[in-house]
Amino acid sequence: DTGVSQDPRHKITKRGQNVTFRCDPISEHNRLYWYRQTLGQGPEFLTYFQNEAQLEKSRLLSDRFSAERPKGSFSTLEIQRTEQGDSAMYLCASVPGLSTGELFFGEGSRLTVL
Amino acid sequence: LAKTTQPISMDSYEGQEVNITCSHNNIATNDYITWYQQFPSQGPRFIIQGYKTKVTNEVASLFIPADRKSSTLSLPRVSLSDTAVYYCLVEESSYKLIFGSGTRLLVRP
Repeated sequence: DTGVSQDPRHKITKRGQNVTFRCDPISEHNRLYWYRQTLGQGPEFLTYFQNEAQLEKSRLLSDRFSAERPKGSFSTLEIQRTEQGDSAMYLCASVPGLSTGELFFGEGSRLTVL
Repeated sequence: LAKTTQPISMDSYEGQEVNITCSHNNIATNDYITWYQQFPSQGPRFIIQGYKTKVTNEVASLFIPADRKSSTLSLPRVSLSDTAVYYCLVEESSYKLIFGSGTRLLVRP
């Protein structure tokens, strides 16, 4: 257990529905990442927060994806009008402020879109 | 872009030393090299990080030559529980940490 928690762990939804995932990072970590991982692939960068500011967002992310970190603590990732191609593991990671590269990952939220 | 290249898979036997090499030809001066381990249905887990020469911790060693265009993760005396995917990461910018496809290590009895 890294101390990063994600909820829900599993989500099954029908195409066209909206889903939201929550990440609670380690409390003193001010940097937070979201990744998406499909079977057999490495984690794909989605977005990055430093405190409440979203500083980087992948160009691969369509407008259906949005992420927030309203008070610089927990973060949410929402996917609107889900498509079957959104089926993946969504991983959250947090980083201590002065650390370089050491990500603490949660267990992930697995999304299945039917 | 500091893209990384690793072998897709490797096989080994229990008790052997395993060396996984990662190429990162365009690594920037300030970039660190970090290795992660991932088991199925879990998030990646930090193994080791280095900048140059050699770093050793309780689970692995990391060798980085002077030109820093590659790095080698060394796992001493692997066990069945070391079967996992291993990722090499080089920081693309101050924020973006990009994973490659990783190396699938299979440890056989």
